[in-house]
Amino acid sequence: DAKTTQPNSMESNEEEPVHLPCNHSTISGTDYIHWYRQLPSQGPEYVIHGLTSNVNNRMASLAIAEDRKSSTLILHRATLRDAAVYYCILRGPLYNTDKLIFGTGTRLQVFP
Amino acid sequence: SQTIHQWPATLVQPVGSPLSLECTVEGTSNPNLYWYRQAAGRGLQLLFYSVGIGQISSEVPQNLSASRPQDRQFILSSKKLLLSDSGFYLCAWSPPGRRYQPQHFGDGTRLSIL
Repeated sequence: DAKTTQPNSMESNEEEPVHLPCNHSTISGTDYIHWYRQLPSQGPEYVIHGLTSNVNNRMASLAIAEDRKSSTLILHRATLRDAAVYYCILRGPLYNTDKLIFGTGTRLQVFP
Repeated sequence: SQTIHQWPATLVQPVGSPLSLECTVEGTSNPNLYWYRQAAGRGLQLLFYSVGIGQISSEVPQNLSASRPQDRQFILSSKKLLLSDSGFYLCAWSPPGRRYQPQHFGDGTRLSIL
């Protein structure tokens, strides 16, 4: 499986923007970049995904580097509810099954 | 909009007892369905997935089985639970027909085996 590398933890204050980085230097041309998050004691929640172009949705923005070897999940204004573990995952036809494989992710703490 | 329901939220069962966890999806037809298990502090482990009624693929050999008796119903079962079956069980769905689409999870069942 293509590996992703994320910082173990990050901190933010409420209402500030948060930039969560992910490195994926071995990404192939057909791999999609997916982001999920998991709040304490809850199931994972899909956040956003993209292939080459930057993407925006109601939850977040995804900025993808031109060489696609890294990406950044942007939360424009962090809230206390955004405190979670954020997972960056590559998904594509090189991986035989459709399962999600989470790494260790980034634990985001948000302070009031 | 689509919703996924999973129950019960928590369950405490003795070793050797049977298990039945149910998951239903509303608002979509012929979804792909998944059962995952997450051990404490660990990542997700895919147990079963299904692309249609009666079609079940198992990812790992284990003490569990899955069934899909209806289009939007996915059931995880065991005849005799083991201590190692403890964990956080998650059901998920994704749109049919295309791979690598986002998966949407239920709230999970926390299973403790005594």
